Amino acid sequence: GENVEQHPSTLSVQEGDSAVIKCTYSDSASNYFPWYKQELGKRPQLIIDIRSNVGEKKDQRIAVTLNKTAKHFSLHITETQPEDSAVYFCAANPLITSGTYKYIFGTGTRLKVLA
Amino acid sequence: EPEVTQTPSHQVTQMGQEVILRCVPISNHLYFYWYRQILGQKVEFLVSFYNNEISEKSEIFDDQFSVERPDGSNFTLKIRSTKLEDSAMYFCASSTRQGDWTEAFFGQGTRLTVV
Repeated sequence: GENVEQHPSTLSVQEGDSAVIKCTYSDSASNYFPWYKQELGKRPQLIIDIRSNVGEKKDQRIAVTLNKTAKHFSLHITETQPEDSAVYFCAANPLITSGTYKYIFGTGTRLKVLA
Repeated sequence: EPEVTQTPSHQVTQMGQEVILRCVPISNHLYFYWYRQILGQKVEFLVSFYNNEISEKSEIFDDQFSVERPDGSNFTLKIRSTKLEDSAMYFCASSTRQGDWTEAFFGQGTRLTVV
């Protein structure tokens, strides 16, 4: 079935350093890849997304890259700050038999930014 | 900014009891979803709903689960006979279009504890 793998499961970085989280997906029909940030006890919040017709997208300190051939996509956070500490989930939207889409989430990465 | 709202925020129920989790999606959204997140694990798709019917459901969404849109604003998830393993955070989400190329907005979640 559809699967999204995410690495690493935990990541600690010094404040100001960069953080990279990587995901791979199994269904080549997936065409939308959102990244969600979830703070403890709160809802997942979309931070950036990328569509399959784009290779890279940037929003201030956050960027996402997509390699459709390899079925990889990555989240890059530069100049990390303590408030970036959270769990980050990638997701992909495999096409399902009904002709509709759903999100399959990765297992999450707990990012800790050390002051 | 419009939000998806869920009630209650926390529900404690005895094993075998029925529970109904309630959601009010964003008003102009047409597609509705339920996801669940067992503590410390990833967010898992349960069901998607459009035009008053289920468009897709996962293996988790067995006969104990049902969804309903009883009126123009509410979207409910019912678990008929709760089991201990149903304990999780349940997130409702909605979007203007199907999952492809469009953001799903998540509610703040209902923490269900089955004792």
